[in-house]
Amino acid sequence: RKEVEQDPGPFNVPEGATVAFNCTYSNSASQSFFWYRQDCRKEPKLLMSVYSSGNEDGRFTAQLNRASQYISLLIRDSKLSDSATYLCVVNPPPYGQNFVFGPGTRLSVLP
Amino acid sequence: DVKVTQSSRYLVKRTGEKVFLECVQDMDHENMFWYRQDPGLGLRLIYFSYDVKMKEKGDIPEGYSVSREKKERFSLILESASTNQTSMYLCASSHSRTGIYSPLHFGNGTRLTVT
Repeated sequence: RKEVEQDPGPFNVPEGATVAFNCTYSNSASQSFFWYRQDCRKEPKLLMSVYSSGNEDGRFTAQLNRASQYISLLIRDSKLSDSATYLCVVNPPPYGQNFVFGPGTRLSVLP
Repeated sequence: DVKVTQSSRYLVKRTGEKVFLECVQDMDHENMFWYRQDPGLGLRLIYFSYDVKMKEKGDIPEGYSVSREKKERFSLILESASTNQTSMYLCASSHSRTGIYSPLHFGNGTRLTVT
């Protein structure tokens, strides 16, 4: 089993749709999780950290389920500018040093 | 805002050349990383450093070396460039190895072509 797995995608959704991505991780000692977005031929950019109680930033909501070892990202009211690849990143101990990347899920928001 | 700066966006080198990729961060981060990203293979860690003069091999260190003489600067060296090292190289930094929420901050990448 891979350390971090994501929905294979691609996801093609119309503008205004709600879309959810899932990510599973294998290291149960992990406590640090992040979502990044990456535009084509650009560097990954931090979208949000994922806190244990779940957190929201505008149209984006991240959830963590420790028991099932998965995290999710929900995007509401999709915009064309949300089109990108979304990377799930897990940081098992030692924190700040050991980052494990998922393969990414590509999202295309269509007009 | 954290700034991670890579010296070149695009680089073209010949096979056998020694290549230096430079990265500087301005947020006093302890940890610095070099990744390469290739289509279908995702991000792969080459080397990382958690302190000045300290380095650890990542998943694919062969053909590369690194140097960290100052906290803010982390250099990746291709000792003898080969065509299979054509790739996008990404430098990143993070704050503290003891902080749970210490995300990676990436530079804008160097697209290296070896001919």
